[in-house]
Amino acid sequence: SQQGEEDPQALSIQEGENATMNCSYKTSINNLQWYRQNSGRGLVHLILIRSNEREKHSGRLRVTLDTSKKSSSLLITASRAADTASYFCATDRSNYKLTFGKGTLLTVNP
Amino acid sequence: GAVVSQHPSWVICKSGTSVKIECRSLDFQATTMFWYRQFPKQSLMLMATSNEGSKATYEQGVEKDKFLINHASLTLSTLTVTSAHPEDSSFYICSAYRTSGSHEQYFGPGTRLTVT
Repeated sequence: SQQGEEDPQALSIQEGENATMNCSYKTSINNLQWYRQNSGRGLVHLILIRSNEREKHSGRLRVTLDTSKKSSSLLITASRAADTASYFCATDRSNYKLTFGKGTLLTVNP
Repeated sequence: GAVVSQHPSWVICKSGTSVKIECRSLDFQATTMFWYRQFPKQSLMLMATSNEGSKATYEQGVEKDKFLINHASLTLSTLTVTSAHPEDSSFYICSAYRTSGSHEQYFGPGTRLTVT
């Protein structure tokens, strides 16, 4: 069953603005990961946050995890046109199987 | 960083034929690989877990006789779509789980299959 649900489904912003994407899930998890996918291409791993962590940073990325609400958010600061892509959250429940959300299509306009 | 390759990157085949897709971990050993499929503008759906030296385990609703998986070595898993039909046209992506070091999954670049 589909675990993760991202919102918004699509987001269009101007370069320099911040982009926030949210992800909700239904069952307990070991960790939650965010991936990026350019159109028609493979996945790029962005960041992993474990179930006992609440916030994690990597460059312009900030991820939060609220296990009580079963939700996570991905913030991209100072966005660039090159950030245009689809972003997926994926939850790892067990055995390293990932369940992906539906994704957010981010468009950053120059 | 760890690299996973897929071959071919795209393939067009006729209905009724079979197509083999390879997934290789180039610089690490992977006892476990995963196969996903992705329809246009949709998310990735896990199809099966490929285990080196043993049978693959399939997710509910995935036909094991249609999607044959072989994981013959620690660096290679193959997915064969048998008797392909147009509805099998999709983007197939593999991932390899690194059992040492970072314990991360690394994704291949994907294979686009079009069945005519």
